[in-house]
Amino acid sequence: EAQVTQNPRYLITVTGKKLTVTCSQNMNHEYMSWYRQDPGLGLRQIYYSMNVEVTDKGDVPEGYKVSRKEKRNFPLILESPSPNQTSLYFCASSLLTGGETQYFGPGTRLLVL
Amino acid sequence: GEDVEQSLFLSVREGDSSVINCTYTDSSSTYLYWYKQEPGAGLQLLTYIFSNMDMKQDQRLTVLLNKKDKHLSLRIADTQTGDSAIYFCAETHGQGGKLIFGQGTELSVKP
Repeated sequence: EAQVTQNPRYLITVTGKKLTVTCSQNMNHEYMSWYRQDPGLGLRQIYYSMNVEVTDKGDVPEGYKVSRKEKRNFPLILESPSPNQTSLYFCASSLLTGGETQYFGPGTRLLVL
Repeated sequence: GEDVEQSLFLSVREGDSSVINCTYTDSSSTYLYWYKQEPGAGLQLLTYIFSNMDMKQDQRLTVLLNKKDKHLSLRIADTQTGDSAIYFCAETHGQGGKLIFGQGTELSVKP
């Protein structure tokens, strides 16, 4: 089954404690990205990657890092989480030229105390 | 810059039609999408329309695109309580796949 998986689905942490949210897709997609969803703001792109070892900032990259060492994986790293990073995070993937179909993961709900 | 706007709430009665509206600013958009998010769930792609189309119908869903006014709408016929969700409008240039989302419209269907 074609899918995007994220782990963990729920996470409560404290300010400053480094964390990683994993994302994996099994569709051989070149393009992967991370979004955060906040009430009244919709989804905003954090980082994206067009292929292995190619990553770039989205609209709200501050406080986040990503890596793309393998095509299937695109982890999101919060080196020093702060309460304003409390949000719902989605990973997505697509073929680079296939604009009509974007696949989203189930979401990771993060609470930073 | 790029911007997508939606009204935040819509309430309808079961069996009525729902129309969710969206406006966007980027005239170079290539694909426009409607996503559905049920409570506690991820995003489900409902339908999409390519920018050279005016209308697309898929069972109970009808998408209308007015490129001149940069206006997109989603009509749900015979709305059911299971249609209660947040609906997001989004657009992309088709280059690299970045999606620009609206704020989401919360659809409430009353029995």
